Order: sequence, then structure tokens, then C-alpha cells
Amino acid sequence: EAGVVQSPRYKIIEKKQPVAFWCNPISGHNTLYWYRQNLGQGPELLIRYENEEAVDDSQLPKDRFSAERLKGVDSTLKIQPAELGDSAVYLCASSRRLMISGMGDTQYFGPGTRLTVL
Amino acid sequence: AQKVTQAQTEISVVEKEDVTLDCVYETRDTTYYLFWYKQPPSGELVFLIRRNSFDEQNEISGRYSWNFQKSTSSFNFTITASQVVDSAVYFCALSVGSSYNTDKLIFGTGTRLQVFP
Repeated sequence: EAGVVQSPRYKIIEKKQPVAFWCNPISGHNTLYWYRQNLGQGPELLIRYENEEAVDDSQLPKDRFSAERLKGVDSTLKIQPAELGDSAVYLCASSRRLMISGMGDTQYFGPGTRLTVL
Repeated sequence: AQKVTQAQTEISVVEKEDVTLDCVYETRDTTYYLFWYKQPPSGELVFLIRRNSFDEQNEISGRYSWNFQKSTSSFNFTITASQVVDSAVYFCALSVGSSYNTDKLIFGTGTRLQVFP
């Protein structure tokens, strides 16, 4: 079974430029997550999708960050304009929804996109 | 509020030594899950184990073992006979609740394990 795919793996941009990250979840996983991991820290959730619907975006800085998951499969996370403080690793994860309990199953992560803002 | 504390920032051992990574969690929920993930230098988070709050049985998988103690809110991870390939950052994480809208993983700050030959 193929894992979570993310691209690009690395991105270097100058501040105020836009940037976008792409994620393809594991086939059959209807829940998709974007996390940000700052250097020396654990990942922190930015947004969670159930199919096409963003059900938790409380930690997403909406003034400059946006995300979409058209057709409930692939997802794109965008930053516009990027700031120096956005330098981090952006991780995508996916999981199944357990039909009986309604709880999420284990989250599986992609390799991440390492963003450097100069 | 929920919180995960990994007090050990970095641990260095020599190959074949046993090592224990500590994890202490805080939550008022009675239903929750605990996880361990491994992050090698390549950057990908690799799932190792998931335990629910109602199952306190310890688990062993090869050289890995986990000790879950609700009385001390701890979920410690032991690697027996460590190997150089075990070198990575290890994260403990918590997710709480039993409803549709509570799947956020709360991570600790990680413990960097270095195993020297």
C-alpha cells in the first residue's frame, strides 16, 4: 500500500512570496491533516478535513494560510505571503474513520515539505 | 487542557545498551489514545504503537516494549539492545475524546536518541 505522498520535499523562497504544498493521502483514507513542525518541536495541527469539509481549522492562520481538498482526495496548503517565521516542516497525514465508533484511526504521515523563507 | 511532556531532550547510548524514553501525559478525558512515533533523519514520522485508555497491558514488539501506567499518567518506551538504526527523534502523542470532532494529535517535544557503535 502506498503511503502519504507530499511534494515538493524542499522549498526555498524569499519572504512575501507565495508557496503551495501538495498532499496525496493513503487510498481510502477520508480524513486528512496538515501539521506544522517547527525546529526542535513536535508537530502542531493546522487543519483537519473529513472528505471535502474542513472540520477543524482553528489553528490555521487564516490571514495568510489557505487550504483546499477538492473531491475529498488530494489537498493543497498555501501560504501567501510567506513570512520568515513560516520556515518549518509541513507534514500531511491521513487516517480512516472508524465507522462503528466514529473515532479516527491511526494517523499516517508523509515525508513532509521543508520550507525555508529567506 | 491536554499536554504531553517528554522531559528527556537527548539521550546517547552505546550500541546494545537498553534505553527507556519517558512520556508523561495530562488529560481529564477518560477516553484517549496514546501513540509513539519515530522520526528518522529523513523526516517522515513513522507510527510505532497506539494504545487506548482502557487497555493498560504492556506490549512487546521485538526489541521494543511499552509500559502504560494510568496511575502515574505515563507511557514509557524501552528499546532493548539498541542499534545504530534506532537513532532518531521519538515523539509521544495523545488524542482525546470519543466524538467525531476530536482527532487532534497532541505531541510532546520529542526525545533525540543517538546510538553510537
